[in-house]
Amino acid sequence: RKEVEQDPGPFNVPEGATVAFNCTYSNSASQSFFWYRQDCRKEPKLLMSVYSSGNEDGRFTAQLNRASQYISLLIRDSKLSDSATYLCVVKGSPGDNFNKFYFGSGTKLNVKP
Amino acid sequence: EAGVTQSPTHLIKTRGQQATLRCSPISGHTSVYWYQQALGLGLQFLLWYDEGEERNRGNFPPRFSGRQFPNYSSELNVNALELEDSALYLCASSLRAGGNTDTQYFGPGTRLTVL
Repeated sequence: RKEVEQDPGPFNVPEGATVAFNCTYSNSASQSFFWYRQDCRKEPKLLMSVYSSGNEDGRFTAQLNRASQYISLLIRDSKLSDSATYLCVVKGSPGDNFNKFYFGSGTKLNVKP
Repeated sequence: EAGVTQSPTHLIKTRGQQATLRCSPISGHTSVYWYQQALGLGLQFLLWYDEGEERNRGNFPPRFSGRQFPNYSSELNVNALELEDSALYLCASSLRAGGNTDTQYFGPGTRLTVL
């Protein structure tokens, strides 16, 4: 089983739509979680960290569900510029390659006019 | 503040040759990570250096190696290049090892093409 799993998509949505991605992780002791955005042939860029209480940054909301071992990313009022691949990242836990980052294979989002 | 830098941007080699890729982390960051991303695929973890030492490596053959210098910059060496080594090689740095909230910041990558 992979450490981090994501639906590869693509998710094709119209502008203004709300879209949500989920990501599951295998190690229940994982401590830190992140969402990155990667544009085609570019480097990943940090979108947001995911905190236990959930966090929001403008149109983006991230949630963590430790019991079910998944994190989610919600994008409201989608813009054309949101089209990208969204990577779920889980940081290893102490005693299990701590400081090793596990990347999901990404979920592709296409926002259409 | 300058971000993570990588050189060269593009590198073209032939099978059997050796490639050297370089990375300079964000100032103050001691951890450097290397990833391989083949076209259309996800990031595959290669190597992690911190404070000049290799801390972990991914499932890659020994011909992938590297080092970290006293100024925390890093070098990735790939020996005996094979066609399937063609990929985008990404370097990332983070503030320190062991922190719960340390985040990785990526450089623009080196695109290696093996002919």
